[in-house]
Amino acid sequence: DTGVSQNPRHKITKRGQNVTFRCDPISEHNRLYWYRQTLGQGPEFLTYFQNEAQLEKSRLLSDRFSAERPKGSFSTLEIQRTEQGDSAMYLCASSTREAGWLQETQYFGPGTRLLVL
Amino acid sequence: SQQGEEDPQALSIQEGENATMNCSYKTSINNLQWYRQNSGRGLVHLILIRSNEREKHSGRLRVTLDTSKKSSSLLITASRAADTASYFCAVDSNYQLIWGAGTKLIIKP
Repeated sequence: DTGVSQNPRHKITKRGQNVTFRCDPISEHNRLYWYRQTLGQGPEFLTYFQNEAQLEKSRLLSDRFSAERPKGSFSTLEIQRTEQGDSAMYLCASSTREAGWLQETQYFGPGTRLLVL
Repeated sequence: SQQGEEDPQALSIQEGENATMNCSYKTSINNLQWYRQNSGRGLVHLILIRSNEREKHSGRLRVTLDTSKKSSSLLITASRAADTASYFCAVDSNYQLIWGAGTKLIIKP
């Protein structure tokens, strides 16, 4: 399967602990996105990378959240000092934007479901 | 904040009937996309319609786009049990997709 993969699929942690999630995008995709999704809502944009450069970060994103994509391939999302409000599904998507026309399809991983106790 | 707003929030129909979902948005867009999400398989891209297109078809899916009204519709014809899922529209505005809260579609056998 050459789709987007995410690990772990589930994570339960205690409030105050740090957690790290990993995303492996489709290999030829240069763009990688992180989203958060809570029950009954659509995905909420967190941040995105073009290759290894982090180009945008949501203003809603707390300083406790940090993401990296060191070699322009896989990415990690770390949440420090987790809070119960961080409980959500964290989705990763990758894409490649077509030259000459501003359109892209994002391909999503299965997500990491985080529960903060 | 989310830009796309789907209507209705939930829809329940009999298998074989057609299902129509609507999406409204607020700003100019490059394109608008529809995705499906069910519990077992995550978010899957269905169809993309560009800002200069008015209608697009893919199998049993038909999407329309009215940029003057800032709205789109997704029609699923001859629905099947496997179409049970949540459907999201996402507007491509500059560098990111902005999503609505989705329409939950239930197909009754």
